[in-house]
Amino acid sequence: DIVMTQSPGSLTVSLGERATINCKSSQSILYSSNNKNYLAWYQQKPGQPPKLLIYWASTRESGVPDRFSGSGSGTDFTLTISSLQAEDVAVYYCHQYYSTPQAFGQGTKLEIK
Amino acid sequence: EVQLVESGGGLVQPGGSLRLSCAASEFTLTTTDMHWVRQVTGKGLEWVSAIGTAGDTWYADSVKGRFTISREYGKNSLYLRMNSLRAEDTAVYYCASWGGSSWSWGQGTLVTVSS
Repeated sequence: DIVMTQSPGSLTVSLGERATINCKSSQSILYSSNNKNYLAWYQQKPGQPPKLLIYWASTRESGVPDRFSGSGSGTDFTLTISSLQAEDVAVYYCHQYYSTPQAFGQGTKLEIK
Repeated sequence: EVQLVESGGGLVQPGGSLRLSCAASEFTLTTTDMHWVRQVTGKGLEWVSAIGTAGDTWYADSVKGRFTISREYGKNSLYLRMNSLRAEDTAVYYCASWGGSSWSWGQGTLVTVSS
């Protein structure tokens, strides 16, 4: 089974500053036949379902602000928020959908400094 | 836009059974892989089960043999039949779909297993 490890567990960033969240998979989630990384990033606020931000590791979901970006390949991935806004306070999860059982990172709680 | 609406959650005693439903469009049910994911209050996300477009099914080890995923095209619904429920199954259960180009999630339904 693939294990997803996120870091850090919590992050405090000033408004307007950059926030970076890392996610590492225990094995490659790059599918060679289509050269796609089967990784998604979600934002979750209290009392709400997860909101999809990024899929295929770097494709931004429609309607997601362009301050959110995803990068990485193989086993190491990063979610970057280029200029933190107050509404970005949330828990962020990475998710591998390369193989079953699918797996999520343990979450990163993002707060404002 | 894919819309998913879960229902069927509630309070059930340990050892009891419950069936969750997820209402979706016929197009979504026939063309996407459908999943159930759960989340204990204040904790992370746990993948539970999935059914593919060809009807193949997968389960997390924690629910294998107790939960059954299925879909009914005539009722445009995805189901999760949960038997032999345990306290540790208490969570919000989300229905999610993967259409090959994006993930869509429902709002979730709360299952509480307690005497």
